[in-house]
Amino acid sequence: SYDLIQAPSVSVSPGQTANITCSGRGLGDNYASWYLKKPGQSPVLVIYQDTKRPSGIPERFSGSRSGNTATLTISGTQASDEADYYCQAWDSLTYVVFGGGTNLTVL
Amino acid sequence: QLQLEESGPGLVKPSETLSLTCSVSGGSISTTSHYWGWIRQSPGKGLEWLGSIYYSGSTYYNPSLKSRVTVSVDTSKNQFSLKLASMTAADTAVYYCARHGYTSAWYANWFDPWGQGTLVTVSS
Repeated sequence: SYDLIQAPSVSVSPGQTANITCSGRGLGDNYASWYLKKPGQSPVLVIYQDTKRPSGIPERFSGSRSGNTATLTISGTQASDEADYYCQAWDSLTYVVFGGGTNLTVL
Repeated sequence: QLQLEESGPGLVKPSETLSLTCSVSGGSISTTSHYWGWIRQSPGKGLEWLGSIYYSGSTYYNPSLKSRVTVSVDTSKNQFSLKLASMTAADTAVYYCARHGYTSAWYANWFDPWGQGTLVTVSS
């Protein structure tokens, strides 16, 4: 099994680009998904299969993966993007794995 | 539009078994391309997957909780359910149900959409 490691917090200025990374050896063989979670709200899928964006998710959200690291990129970050972001993937032993989450602050 | 809604008690006593149901509307639970899952978030903590089920009854469980978790499905009611035994204060959390999408061999998997969540508190 493996863990998905995320930085606890990331800060970005409005209008700038935020990069949130997720590292884990299993990402070398498995795709990453990303979720946005605001307090009191349900998680929302923003990226799946590394790069795919569900309908209704703004184009400023994009994803990539290189080696064992997946990255969620938010371009032109807005105040409304402040949230916790979680990565998630599959592991053959523990099945569903979530990262610890990254709190994005827009200031 | 597919919608999921959790229902069940908001308060459970220590050592009791939690029972939650997820009602699916706007689509059939008997789909060949999705599982259906349960995820929780304890106060101040991250997301934790509990288990997922296929409409046929095939299941995957979080190994760390496997001895306590049971997920079942009722296709006639378009619902699936969670039972978590031997509840303790550590199980206090918001419990979510979600549709669990996947590709062949599970190289990719994701949860979408999610229910609104239900807060379960464990207290005597």
